[in-house]
Amino acid sequence: GIQVEQSPPDLILQEGANSTLRCNFSDSVNNLQWFHQNPWGQLINLFYIPSGTKQNGRLSATTVATERYSLLYISSSQTTDSGVYFCAVDIPTFGRGTSLIVHP
Amino acid sequence: EPEVTQTPSHQVTQMGQEVILRCVPISNHLYFYWYRQILGQKVEFLVSFYNNEISEKSEIFDDQFSVERPDGSNFTLKIRSTKLEDSAMYFCASVREMNTEAFFGQGTRLTVV
Repeated sequence: GIQVEQSPPDLILQEGANSTLRCNFSDSVNNLQWFHQNPWGQLINLFYIPSGTKQNGRLSATTVATERYSLLYISSSQTTDSGVYFCAVDIPTFGRGTSLIVHP
Repeated sequence: EPEVTQTPSHQVTQMGQEVILRCVPISNHLYFYWYRQILGQKVEFLVSFYNNEISEKSEIFDDQFSVERPDGSNFTLKIRSTKLEDSAMYFCASVREMNTEAFFGQGTRLTVV
């Protein structure tokens, strides 16, 4: 089956810093979504982005389907951005996630 | 905004007991999924369901597990005889049609003691 790799596995930032999270996938995909798992364990939809670029406030995402990767950008990070960020392709395959901690 | 609803939010059960986790998908969605996430680990696919039958299942989804859509709105996951290693967060998801966005419920945290 398709392989999904996310990097980095862990990320620690100071509040206000910017970051880029990466998702590589091993084959062409029809779907790609980014999720944020909050401290209560809920999966929050961030982006549905099989290709192209989208922005929502301080977050943006780009998927280059032909090169089999997607990037999630977080600008001016806040402590509430802490949690685990998952990339999922072709539902059902999830990556292992990037664990983000933002310190005040 | 329509959402996927899961009940209960947290369930504690004794080893060997049967549990039923419930999900109400978004009403016009056609594809339904169950996932589980053991604490601190990745989100793992269990099973997908379409047109009142299982369309795909993982190796995790063994004979202890079953799914059904008993009344056209609820989508349930049954674990017949729970084991300690079944302790996890279970997520339900629904999709309106193939190759569209998936919507996840808030999860049921199952603790087997």
